[in-house]
Formats: sequence, C-alpha cells, structure tokens
Amino acid sequence: DIQMTQSPSTLSASVGDRVTITCRASQSVSTWLAWYQQKPGKVPKLLIYKTSSLESGVPSRFSGSGSGTEFALTITSLQPDDFATYYCQQYDNSPFTFGPGTKVDIK
Amino acid sequence: EVQLVESGGGLVQPGRSLRLSCAASGFTFDDYAMHWVRQAPGKGLEWVSGINWNSDTIAYADSVKGRFTISRDNAKNSLYLQMNSLRPEDTALYYCAKDMSGIQLRYFDSWGQGTLVTVSS
Repeated sequence: DIQMTQSPSTLSASVGDRVTITCRASQSVSTWLAWYQQKPGKVPKLLIYKTSSLESGVPSRFSGSGSGTEFALTITSLQPDDFATYYCQQYDNSPFTFGPGTKVDIK
Repeated sequence: EVQLVESGGGLVQPGRSLRLSCAASGFTFDDYAMHWVRQAPGKGLEWVSGINWNSDTIAYADSVKGRFTISRDNAKNSLYLQMNSLRPEDTALYYCAKDMSGIQLRYFDSWGQGTLVTVSS
C-alpha cells in the first residue's frame, strides 16, 4: 500500500502569509494526487485534483505542484476562511490513501 | 445541486452488523463511481471502499476487506455499505462521496454530511 505523509502537521500563520504544505508518497503516484480542505465540524471540500488542477469555484490563491513522490499545496496570501485542516490523497493505486493532515491555525 | 444523504448509522455491539445507505440526487447517479470514506472522532480521513458505475470495479481498504461489502442500486440512486464483524476501531463518521469518474476510481468531488457509527459494548 502507498503511505502518504504530510509536513508540517501544524502550521501557524497570519492573514496575508504565503504558506506551503508538503505531501510525500512512499512510492510514485505520478500526478494522481488531490487536496482537500476540512473545517471543524464540516465536510471535506475538494480543492485540487491531478496535482495542480483547481476545482471549480476554488480561489486562485490555492495552487498545487509536484509529481512522483513529492507534492505541495501553496496558499498565497492566506485569508481568514483558509484556517482549516488540509489533506492530500493519492488515487494512483487502491487502496486510496490520505495523508494525516496539516492543520493551519492562526499565529 | 449534488446531494448525498447517508443513513443507517448508530450504536452497535462488537461483532454485530450494520448496513449504511446513501441516497443520491442532483446528478446522474449511474454515470459516476461512488465511495465510502470514514473519519474516527478527532482523527483524519480514511478511504474505506469504492465502486464504479456498473459495479465491475470494487476496492476496499485492507482494514475492512473481508468484513465490509459495498454495493449500489442504480435504479434507486443509492449506495450501500454492509458492515459485518464490527470492531471498536470501526467507530467513525462514515461519509458517502461521489467520484469525478464513472469507470475508474479516482477522487471525491462531493461529500455527504456523514452518518455516525459507534461500536461499543
């Protein structure tokens, strides 16, 4: 099975900051990687698929990059609505695994 | 608007069974693969199982293989998860999620609100 890791596990940032979350796969997943945002008590929301494709309606301050085993989610100019937990997910091979999550909180 | 409404959760003793359902609306159900994803209290997301549009591709997480069975009824726009031999570690909020693809299992572009399963004596 493909294991996913994320770093950092928690990230403290301020409104307006540029933040980057890293996701690593235990073996290559090509570009078959998605990112989700989840706020407390809410349903996960798809942000990015196929590494860098922005889901419809997602603000352009979110972007994704990478390939193979190393990926990144970048938020330029963090907004108050962006404080949440972010998960990566590989869909190259079943079982489809999520990373453990990165919580972005207010500094 | 895509709507996914889960039901069937509850409190169950270890070793017993439970069947979850997901009623779908707002899209052509039999055009898309569907999944179950769970989240234990205070924990991260765990993919449980997925099924493609015509049920000829089905996959399970290792943690539930042999105990859980996913199925769908396209005539009823419904997804199911039969959970047998339940364990305390199966306690979680179970989400029904729509795939962006029909033929293959990929990623999840819409989610239900979830149904809570608690396994405890």
